[in-house]
Amino acid sequence: TQLLEQSPQFLSIQEGENLTVYCNSSSVFSSLQWYRQEPGEGPVLLVTVVTGGEVKKLKRLTFQFGDARKDSSLHITAAQPGDTGLYLCAGAVSGGSNYKLTFGKGTLLTVNP
Amino acid sequence: DTGVSQDPRHKITKRGQNVTFRCDPISEHNRLYWYRQTLGQGPEFLTYFQNEAQLEKSRLLSDRFSAERPKGSFSTLEIQRTEQGDSAMYLCASSLLRGGHNIQYFGAGTRLSVL
Repeated sequence: TQLLEQSPQFLSIQEGENLTVYCNSSSVFSSLQWYRQEPGEGPVLLVTVVTGGEVKKLKRLTFQFGDARKDSSLHITAAQPGDTGLYLCAGAVSGGSNYKLTFGKGTLLTVNP
Repeated sequence: DTGVSQDPRHKITKRGQNVTFRCDPISEHNRLYWYRQTLGQGPEFLTYFQNEAQLEKSRLLSDRFSAERPKGSFSTLEIQRTEQGDSAMYLCASSLLRGGHNIQYFGAGTRLSVL
């Protein structure tokens, strides 16, 4: 059983559309990170959320951490082809080792021009 | 800040050979991690160093795998007697504990193909 469930697994949209990616768990996380990964490269950190209910914005990307710190979402407004990539959420389980990140399987986003 | 550096970027080897990968973390980071990522999956934790001490090893890390961080700076990951199932992307990350939170930054990875 995956500790962090991401949905959808695949998403193909047209340029200009909006989308939301979800990251859900039954576990509480002390912090949660979102990364973007391109083929053949390592994950690049986008944001870290640590407080329940927290909302962070990064240009057209909006990240939200659930009130109970068990889930998170990533919303992209007016998607562009440059947003194409694998979006990964990763968290450190609260009360566990604060160094070990558990990753979801990722959402593979394709934005078509 | 030069980021986390991994070498080589790609390695092709024959089954049964030994391979070694190197990771140079961000210079002020005292924590270093190795992860493995296979196609269609997120990265999976392998092992973790704080300074030169290896503090945890995943059960994914069989006895053919060994990692070192001799001076608390760069790290090496060696795989002995490689198997086809070892084919994967090996990722290194580093971090500095700050404010109780541990934000990890990743290198570009080493892609291993075992023929």
